[in-house]
Amino acid sequence: SQQGEEDPQALSIQEGENATMNCSYKTSINNLQWYRQNSGRGLVHLILIRSNEREKHSGRLRVTLDTSKKSSSLLITASRAADTASYFCATGLIQGAQKLVFGQGTRLTINP
Amino acid sequence: EPEVTQTPSHQVTQMGQEVILRCVPISNHLYFYWYRQILGQKVEFLVSFYNNEISEKSEIFDDQFSVERPDGSNFTLKIRSTKLEDSAMYFCASRQDGTPYEQYFGPGTRLTVT
Repeated sequence: SQQGEEDPQALSIQEGENATMNCSYKTSINNLQWYRQNSGRGLVHLILIRSNEREKHSGRLRVTLDTSKKSSSLLITASRAADTASYFCATGLIQGAQKLVFGQGTRLTINP
Repeated sequence: EPEVTQTPSHQVTQMGQEVILRCVPISNHLYFYWYRQILGQKVEFLVSFYNNEISEKSEIFDDQFSVERPDGSNFTLKIRSTKLEDSAMYFCASRQDGTPYEQYFGPGTRLTVT
């Protein structure tokens, strides 16, 4: 089944360091999206990368996509305490209503 | 900035009762979705809705579930006879037709079935 799986499941770093989270999936996709979720709260859209793109930047975020390896990474540079959250990748299919298939997420903790 | 809203934020109901979760998608969006997240688990797709009909649904979305767009702004999820295992956070999402394909999520409704 099409599935996004994040790695690592949990990551704890010091403020100011960079955080890298990885995502793997199984089938062909149209796009891959990254979301952030603060504890018990809603999902905030961070960035979308299309299947024909290899890298995308948005502020302190950098996303890469390797369709040959069916993997993506999210890099957060110069992390801040406010970046503490769970991060999910979600894959959008090529056809249909573009439902998103989410991974289990990476729990990121930024220590001051 | 336009956003998806959901009401109520928290609903407690007894097993067997009917619940209706409400969502107001972003006004110019044409695709609407419901997802759920059981505590500690991943977000799961339930159903997508386009052009006043269901376009896709998951195995979770059985006969106990239904969706409706009763007017030009609201999008509802009804669970006819709730079960304990329906306890979860329910998220509504919407997106534009065509590109870009970003889905924007509401803050969620926490449903607790006792």
